[in-house]
Amino acid sequence: AQSVAQPEDQVNVAEGNPLTVKCTYSVSGNPYLFWYVQYPNRGLQFLLKYITGDNLVKGSYGFEAEFNKSQTSFHLKKPSALVSDSALYFCAVRGPNAGNMLTFGGGTRLMVKP
Amino acid sequence: KAGVTQTPRYLIKTRGQQVTLSCSPISGHRSVSWYQQTPGQGLQFLFEYFSETQRNKGNFPGRFSGRQFSNSRSEMNVSTLELGDSALYLCASWIGLSNTEAFFGQGTRLTVV
Repeated sequence: AQSVAQPEDQVNVAEGNPLTVKCTYSVSGNPYLFWYVQYPNRGLQFLLKYITGDNLVKGSYGFEAEFNKSQTSFHLKKPSALVSDSALYFCAVRGPNAGNMLTFGGGTRLMVKP
Repeated sequence: KAGVTQTPRYLIKTRGQQVTLSCSPISGHRSVSWYQQTPGQGLQFLFEYFSETQRNKGNFPGRFSGRQFSNSRSEMNVSTLELGDSALYLCASWIGLSNTEAFFGQGTRLTVV
């Protein structure tokens, strides 16, 4: 079985400050990890993925994530937050034998205050 | 390049009725998966299709079913609707069984009254 935990329901950060949205996962074998963002009444937009290789992954809109195998974590980061980054963020995992089945975390609402 | 298209965008149904939702994946993508999103349960996997074959199925009752056509378009059907089926239903399109990401449609908002 595969699972994802996003321990924070909401993260508040001031514009211009760095942000971190946490994610830990559990899966048998090597994980495929993803971050998606959702704006109100919209579908999910892909931000970045880790498949293999460099532990620091860079994605869209200045976001990056660090894969840590020993801590089974894949935290999302951005050096300088924008008000427009305010949205719902989802971490997802796909196991090596899970086909195209994603398991999502519960989501973290990011609020960036001006 | 057109994205994932889900129709209809909004739907209101009465308890006991059935509903069919449609998803057209990105051109050239052969795999489609469906998710249910609710405030209480979050995003839950329904099923996944590749080349017209269901590969995985989530933990949902048999009232939820789906299929995929030869042109990769997919439909999901929910019979005997219950109030708890009210949700945003999201379709994801994958190019195939490879190390790529899923592309999501905007979803169908189903309200059961």
